Amino acid sequence: NAGVTQTPKFQVLKTGQSMTLQCAQDMNHNSMYWYRQDPGMGLRLIYYSASEGTTDKGEVPNGYNVSRLNKREFSLRLESAAPSQTSVYFCASSEPGQGAGEAFFGQGTRLTVV
Amino acid sequence: SQQGEEDPQALSIQEGENATMNCSYKTSINNLQWYRQNSGRGLVHLILIRSNEREKHSGRLRVTLDTSKKSSSLLITASRAADTASYFCATSQRGSTLGRLYFGRGTQLTVWP
Repeated sequence: NAGVTQTPKFQVLKTGQSMTLQCAQDMNHNSMYWYRQDPGMGLRLIYYSASEGTTDKGEVPNGYNVSRLNKREFSLRLESAAPSQTSVYFCASSEPGQGAGEAFFGQGTRLTVV
Repeated sequence: SQQGEEDPQALSIQEGENATMNCSYKTSINNLQWYRQNSGRGLVHLILIRSNEREKHSGRLRVTLDTSKKSSSLLITASRAADTASYFCATSQRGSTLGRLYFGRGTQLTVWP
């Protein structure tokens, strides 16, 4: 059981380049999330998808777009990377019940924008 | 942002000692969760406590919740060097139907052999 799988694990981009971070989960969860983690800032929500076909902005959506391709996959796209987007990105999934359920996280993508 | 805030930011103890971390939050919640993150890895869920619960145990972990004070604590008993990690609290906000979690900035726990 793989859980949540993110690719790539590491990436270096030049300013202005674009890229897509991929995420897939095999737990049949309805909800999926993209977070970024910066030193001393905890995790900040970029975008989330409550269910297949829906996406919503989180705390820090500027500069990002997402696609919920199907129930399993939720991708995050940086259209024109900026140094401020240097961060560690985590994808997560959960099955909400009475409030948020237990979230399962991928191993992260370490992105550096130079 | 309606996130939890952990206290202390960093905690350093010897093996065998107990470690206590606290979390305060601002809004009414459905539940509060604790997560652990080893260096360079993703977060791993430890325990979930619902708003109508006051205490919960899981192995060496004990979580308490005081909704009147909007605070929670995580106690790790008989700490081991392998418990060295960052610990985060996350709140599920009452009224949110989207399963969204609000994370604090974490407590860095170091357990010395």
